[in-house]
Amino acid sequence: EIVLTQSPAILSLSPGERATLSCRASQSVTNYLAWYQQKPGQAPRLLIYDASNRATGVPARFSGRGSGTDFTLTISSLEPEDFAVYYCQQRGKWPPVTFGPGTTVEIK
Amino acid sequence: EVQLVESGGALVQPGGSLRLSCTGSGFSFSTYAMNWVRQTPGKRLEWLSGISGSGETTHYADSVKGRFTISRDNSKNTLHLQMTSLGTDDTALYYCSFGELFPQFDYWGQGTLVTVSS
Repeated sequence: EIVLTQSPAILSLSPGERATLSCRASQSVTNYLAWYQQKPGQAPRLLIYDASNRATGVPARFSGRGSGTDFTLTISSLEPEDFAVYYCQQRGKWPPVTFGPGTTVEIK
Repeated sequence: EVQLVESGGALVQPGGSLRLSCTGSGFSFSTYAMNWVRQTPGKRLEWLSGISGSGETTHYADSVKGRFTISRDNSKNTLHLQMTSLGTDDTALYYCSFGELFPQFDYWGQGTLVTVSS
C-alpha cells in the first residue's frame, strides 16, 4: 500500500500570502496524484488531478506540480475562502487508493 | 447538475449489519465507475470500494474485504454498500463518489453517518 505523508500538518498564514503544501508518496505514483480541499461541514472538492491539472472551476491561484514521490500544491495568494483542509490522493498504484492525512491552512 | 444522495446511515451495535445506498442524478449513471469513501471522526479519508459501470468489476480496501459488498442497480441509478460485522472502527461519515478518471473523486454526495456503538 502506498502511504502518503503531508507536511506541514498545520500552516498558519495571512490572507494574501503564498501557501506551499507538500505531499510525499512512499513509492512512485508517476503523476497520478490529486489534491482536494475540504471546508467544515462540506464534502471534499477536487482541485488538482494528475499532479498539475486544475479541475473545472478551480481558480488559477491554485497550482500543482511534481512527479514520482514528491508533489506540491501552491496557492499563490490566499483568499479568505481558501482557509481549509487539503488532502492529497494517489491512484498510481491501487487498490487501494490512498489519501494523505491532510494539511490545515489556518488564518494566522 | 450532478447530484449524489446517500442514505441508510444509522446507529448500529458492534457485530451488526447495515446497507447504505446512493442515488445519482444529472449524469449517465451506468457510464461511470462508482466508489465509497469514508471519513473518520479524526477526519482521515479512506477509500473503501469501487465498482465498474457495468457492475462486473469490484475492488476493495483490505480493511473491508470480506465484510463489505459493493453493488449497483443501473436501472435505478443506485449504488449500494452492504456492511456486515461492523466494529467501532467503522464509525464514520460514508460518501459515495465518482470521477471522470478512475479512481478519482470529482463528485461527492453529502455523506451518511454510520455510528457503531453499544
